[in-house]
Amino acid sequence: EAQVTQNPRYLITVTGKKLTVTCSQNMNHEYMSWYRQDPGLGLRQIYYSMNVEVTDKGDVPEGYKVSRKEKRNFPLILESPSPNQTSLYFCASSLTQVSYEQYFGPGTRLTVT
Amino acid sequence: DAKTTQPNSMESNEEEPVHLPCNHSTISGTDYIHWYRQLPSQGPEYVIHGLTSNVNNRMASLAIAEDRKSSTLILHRATLRDAAVYYCILREHASGSARQLTFGSGTQLTVLP
Repeated sequence: EAQVTQNPRYLITVTGKKLTVTCSQNMNHEYMSWYRQDPGLGLRQIYYSMNVEVTDKGDVPEGYKVSRKEKRNFPLILESPSPNQTSLYFCASSLTQVSYEQYFGPGTRLTVT
Repeated sequence: DAKTTQPNSMESNEEEPVHLPCNHSTISGTDYIHWYRQLPSQGPEYVIHGLTSNVNNRMASLAIAEDRKSSTLILHRATLRDAAVYYCILREHASGSARQLTFGSGTQLTVLP
């Protein structure tokens, strides 16, 4: 089944403890991105990647890192999480950057205390 | 970026058609109109997109005004599973590139049994 998977789905952590949220897609998509969703602010793009080893900042990249060493994986790294990064995170992918349809993962709910 | 305006919420009865409006008076010639929906506790899901002509797919129909300043997503027979937040998004597609998806606040559709 074609899908985007994220792990973990739920995570509670403490300020400053490095964490990684994994994202994987099995559709051989070139384009992948990360969004965060907050009440009243909608979904905002954090980082995106147009292909392996090609990443770029979205609208809200501060406090986040990403890497794209393989086509299928696009992990989101929080080196030193802070409470303002408490949010619902979605990974998405599409065949290319110009593809009309993006596929979203199920989301990761992160709480930083 | 061109902006979209949608009602905050709408209600529909099960098995009746639903017309979800979207205004985008500042749309440019290279903006495609995309619709996504987000079911409770899930990631956004692509519904349909169009440029100038009306479009139909297995999920919905998209009716685009002749001046392109508004559009309507039509669900022909609403089911309880269609209860979701529906996002109308303009996305610029130029030659070889496309801007990111920018989600607004969307319309919360409630389907009544």
